[in-house]
Amino acid sequence: GAGVSQSPSNKVTEKGKDVELRCDPISGHTALYWYRQSLGQGLEFLIYFQGNSAPDKSGLPSDRFSAERTGGSVSTLTIQRTQQEDSAVYLCASSPSSFQETQYFGPGTRLLVL
Amino acid sequence: GQNIDQPTEMTATEGAIVQINCTYQTSGFNGLFWYQQHAGEAPTFLSYNVLDGLEEKGRFSSFLSRSKGYSYLLLKELQMKDSASYLCAVRSRDKGGTPLVFGKGTRLSVIA
Repeated sequence: GAGVSQSPSNKVTEKGKDVELRCDPISGHTALYWYRQSLGQGLEFLIYFQGNSAPDKSGLPSDRFSAERTGGSVSTLTIQRTQQEDSAVYLCASSPSSFQETQYFGPGTRLLVL
Repeated sequence: GQNIDQPTEMTATEGAIVQINCTYQTSGFNGLFWYQQHAGEAPTFLSYNVLDGLEEKGRFSSFLSRSKGYSYLLLKELQMKDSASYLCAVRSRDKGGTPLVFGKGTRLSVIA
């Protein structure tokens, strides 16, 4: 079946602009995660959605970052007033539920802030 | 706090066996994952350990010792296509037992 998809694949933007990154999880997966992978760094947790529960936003690095998940499916990660340090690969993952389930990753969005 | 350590780079010969180690320190533990990531691609799931011992899956095996905070990934009969980064990740109870905490990854180069 279809895996996790993300769009765009690549995004180049100017410092100070807002960007939106989209994630389509695997159909039926109730848990959705956003991670960030910077050059030379491990994957860094950003935010997590489980069903209709309030999201766990504890990994968001600043209030310029926000995310929403509409209808329990598609999620959008928004970065406002982008900075050069926001340049990274943003990865989305989903799992059938939250507890002891393998997370399946999308191909990521490569963001470059000039 | 949480800390996951693994070697930055390793090189091994085609056909050989390689062991990639991972040590972790977390305030809670709820499972350890290994992922493979080829350059420019998404991480793909390799293995999951929650109890002590060895899990074998074809050419890949993963071992866990919870008392030592230690895991390793063993790759046998190495192939050129195994050249990739291998990510160790721990599920910690700090975050409701769900999001993964990743190490920086071990870049494995398989040479002829």
